[in-house]
Amino acid sequence: SQQGEEDPQALSIQEGENATMNCSYKTSINNLQWYRQNSGRGLVHLILIRSNEREKHSGRLRVTLDTSKKSSSLLITASRAADTASYFCATLMDTGRRALTFGSGTRLQVQP
Amino acid sequence: DTGVSQDPRHKITKRGQNVTFRCDPISEHNRLYWYRQTLGQGPEFLTYFQNEAQLEKSRLLSDRFSAERPKGSFSTLEIQRTEQGDSAMYLCASSKRTGGNYNEQFFGPGTRLTVL
Repeated sequence: SQQGEEDPQALSIQEGENATMNCSYKTSINNLQWYRQNSGRGLVHLILIRSNEREKHSGRLRVTLDTSKKSSSLLITASRAADTASYFCATLMDTGRRALTFGSGTRLQVQP
Repeated sequence: DTGVSQDPRHKITKRGQNVTFRCDPISEHNRLYWYRQTLGQGPEFLTYFQNEAQLEKSRLLSDRFSAERPKGSFSTLEIQRTEQGDSAMYLCASSKRTGGNYNEQFFGPGTRLTVL
């Protein structure tokens, strides 16, 4: 079963605009990760934020984590057509379980 | 290319046939994971190995599914007596311990299974 929900399910923006995706989860986590998947391909790791961190940056990506609300957001600034993909949050639970639990994803379309 | 390879990339089979997929992880990664992804959904965990030991299996992994990692390197996932509901993308991932933690997982391109 999916750990959480992502919002929105689909997002369409113009090149140069910012894209914000949200993720909610249900249980205590060790860390939360964001992955990107181009259509029909494997997933690529983007960024990881630990449960004791609140914000992290990597290039045009900014991730926030609010453990009290069990939610995270991914911001992509100055989007490009090449950012078109599905974006998934994945949590590593605090229970000792070793596998990631993924959300259902946000499908981002960046119009050139 | 993440360095994780999967073979075949596509498999079409008839219901009731057996299929086997292979995953070659990044060589120094001692953890290997299998996930299943259906259209429009995120990946769902099936099983994982640490070296050659299979340490966790999801309840999604029915008796018809078996996975092995005999020498702690490549892994195979076999599905016996395939059903139409087995149609999905099967993803393999690997990871290694960094700074005391297993964090980032590196995913292969997946094997897309279609059961007719």
